[in-house]
Amino acid sequence: GQNIDQPTEMTATEGAIVQINCTYQTSGFNGLFWYQQHAGEAPTFLSYNVLDGLEEKGRFSSFLSRSKGYSYLLLKELQMKDSASYLCAVATGGGNKLTFGTGTQLKVEL
Amino acid sequence: DTGVSQDPRHKITKRGQNVTFRCDPISEHNRLYWYRQTLGQGPEFLTYFQNEAQLEKSRLLSDRFSAERPKGSFSTLEIQRTEQGDSAMYLCASSLATYRADYGYTFGSGTRLTVV
Repeated sequence: GQNIDQPTEMTATEGAIVQINCTYQTSGFNGLFWYQQHAGEAPTFLSYNVLDGLEEKGRFSSFLSRSKGYSYLLLKELQMKDSASYLCAVATGGGNKLTFGTGTQLKVEL
Repeated sequence: DTGVSQDPRHKITKRGQNVTFRCDPISEHNRLYWYRQTLGQGPEFLTYFQNEAQLEKSRLLSDRFSAERPKGSFSTLEIQRTEQGDSAMYLCASSLATYRADYGYTFGSGTRLTVV
C-alpha cells in the first residue's frame, strides 16, 4: 500500500525558517512533489524531486532521500502569506498518479 | 491558455440527485486526472485518462461514479444518486505524458460539491 506521513500542524514566526518533513512508503516512485494550498483553493506546485539531494527555488527548498523514504520542504524568510497547507505527494505508476499526505497546516505569526 | 478550468465552482444538490462536473485541461496535455479532497485531508486519486482512454480507476470510485473524456480533450465526472458522503472538493489536473512526473502537472480550482 501507499503511506505518506507529515505533521498535521506547525507554527512559525514571520521572518523565520521552517522545515516541514514528509516520510513515505510507496509501491513505486516516480518523484515527490510539494504543493501549497490555501483554504478553498487548488493546490499550487512548489517543487519536484526525483533524485536525491536539494532543489532550491527562491525562498523554498526541497530535499529528498530515496533510501530513507524522506523529504523535507524548507521555507525561508517566512511571510504571513505563507500561512497555508503544505502537501507532500508521491507519483507512482505508469500514469504518475499522485498519492498525497494529509497536509501540514502552517501558521505564520507576527 | 488559462490553465485547467473546472465548472461549476460550486454545486449544492439534494441527496439522490445526479450531478455532472466538467474539466477542460491545458490544451496540449494528454493526461487528465480526477481527485477528491475532503476537509482536512489531502486529495485522493479517483481516475485518470491518457487521451480518450481511461487507464486507471481507484477503488474509491464506486459504481455511482463515471468519468469520460470522449475526444481526448475535456472530461466529465458524473455522480449518480448522490449521498452526503460525496460532499467534497473534486479536483481535476492535467499533464503531459513524459518520463518526468512533474511535466506540466497542473490542478484546476476544483468543484465544491455539497449534498444536502
